[in-house]
Amino acid sequence: QQQVKQSPQSLIVQKGGISIINCAYENTAFDYFPWYQQFPGKGPALLIAIRPDVSEKKEGRFTISFNKSAKQFSLHIMDSQPGDSATYFCAASSRDFGNEKLTFGTGTRLTIIP
Amino acid sequence: SQTIHQWPATLVQPVGSPLSLECTVEGTSNPNLYWYRQAAGRGLQLLFYSVGIGQISSEVPQNLSASRPQDRQFILSSKKLLLSDSGFYLCAWSKLGGTYEQYFGPGTRLTVT
Repeated sequence: QQQVKQSPQSLIVQKGGISIINCAYENTAFDYFPWYQQFPGKGPALLIAIRPDVSEKKEGRFTISFNKSAKQFSLHIMDSQPGDSATYFCAASSRDFGNEKLTFGTGTRLTIIP
Repeated sequence: SQTIHQWPATLVQPVGSPLSLECTVEGTSNPNLYWYRQAAGRGLQLLFYSVGIGQISSEVPQNLSASRPQDRQFILSSKKLLLSDSGFYLCAWSKLGGTYEQYFGPGTRLTVT
């Protein structure tokens, strides 16, 4: 019930295209949904996050879409660039679980080709 | 601003040897601290978390232990390493009573031979 399912496992997108990564959750107690970006050999970096009181959040080329009724959220990368090639993790958390623990998805390896 | 450090950056250890990885956070006080392991090409597995000095919660039974001797110091240890302990170890912190954001360190690549 605490799982977060992420898809696809890997994604190849042409430069300038839109990259879309999807996540789904079961536990309705989740109330914080961040996305992390990880480059090879580095620690994950917080990219963007959303709370369920809004359906969309945009920061530059990155947008989170949130569908509370479907218990799904997705990351959209507009005008994808080779520098966006990285592994992306979605996550979810709830104070009900105490101590702000994050439950992570399994990751999506994104490759942007020129 | 806050900074998180991990060392060493890489480590190669034989099976059966001890392990000590260190994580320190600067620029904040009373943080929540976390240890994660990431196997090659895999997701993030939470190993331990701590909400204060001497307070450690274990998420997964294993060959590892954690300690928090000081407010901003988190140590991951093992008495005898196994081959399966190989991986990328990440420390993270979040603000106590904050808004859930976790910030990760640069990681330690551990290879057990």
